[in-house]
Amino acid sequence: NAGVTQTPKFRILKIGQSMTLQCAQDMNHNYMYWYRQDPGMGLKLIYYSVGAGITDKGEVPNGYNVSRSTTEDFPLRLELAAPSQTSVYFCASSRRAGQGHYGYTFGSGTRLTVV
Amino acid sequence: AQSVSQHNHHVILSEAASLELGCNYSYGGTVNLFWYVQYPGQHLQLLLKYFSGDPLVKGIKGFEAEFIKSKFSFNLRKPSVQWSDTAEYFCAVNAGSGAGSYQLTFGKGTKLSVIP
Repeated sequence: NAGVTQTPKFRILKIGQSMTLQCAQDMNHNYMYWYRQDPGMGLKLIYYSVGAGITDKGEVPNGYNVSRSTTEDFPLRLELAAPSQTSVYFCASSRRAGQGHYGYTFGSGTRLTVV
Repeated sequence: AQSVSQHNHHVILSEAASLELGCNYSYGGTVNLFWYVQYPGQHLQLLLKYFSGDPLVKGIKGFEAEFIKSKFSFNLRKPSVQWSDTAEYFCAVNAGSGAGSYQLTFGKGTKLSVIP
């Protein structure tokens, strides 16, 4: 099925470890995003990309890195995991038409716990 | 910068009660507005969206929302809720044009609990 695929679904990391959250979409969307969701805080934008080779910081980028080598893939890297990065991470993609924004398609999320 | 306020953190209703969840945004120009729903343990799914035209927008599962430009509001409504509507609801806004306007800004969400 077409959509946004995130892996893994769950992960437990020790403090200081690193990992990459994978995100892929097969809808040929130019725009891709990474959000984190914490209870009662809504969704906060970490990084976004408007196309292959172009990325930019969102609201909460510290401790994370991204790359966008292809239109389909947008991995999120945590270099030195900290307890504050315990969260649920959602990847999303979108396209934009001339008359407006069609909204996001979300992946199923990655629940990350840092201990 | 855009911001979105959802005034109710947690709403508890009995089945068949009517629902209205408030959403206000702070951008003065052209906007696209969205409501997303997140069922327990799942990702966000689009309920409905407003681009232009009729300010009363109908979405899936019997939900509707009304865009009132003068009040900067986009409230979500449903005449009769069901237990299966128990979820968290997020309002989101996108500025209609300009640099960076492809991002959505989300409210903090409203949890809805429907009691059978």
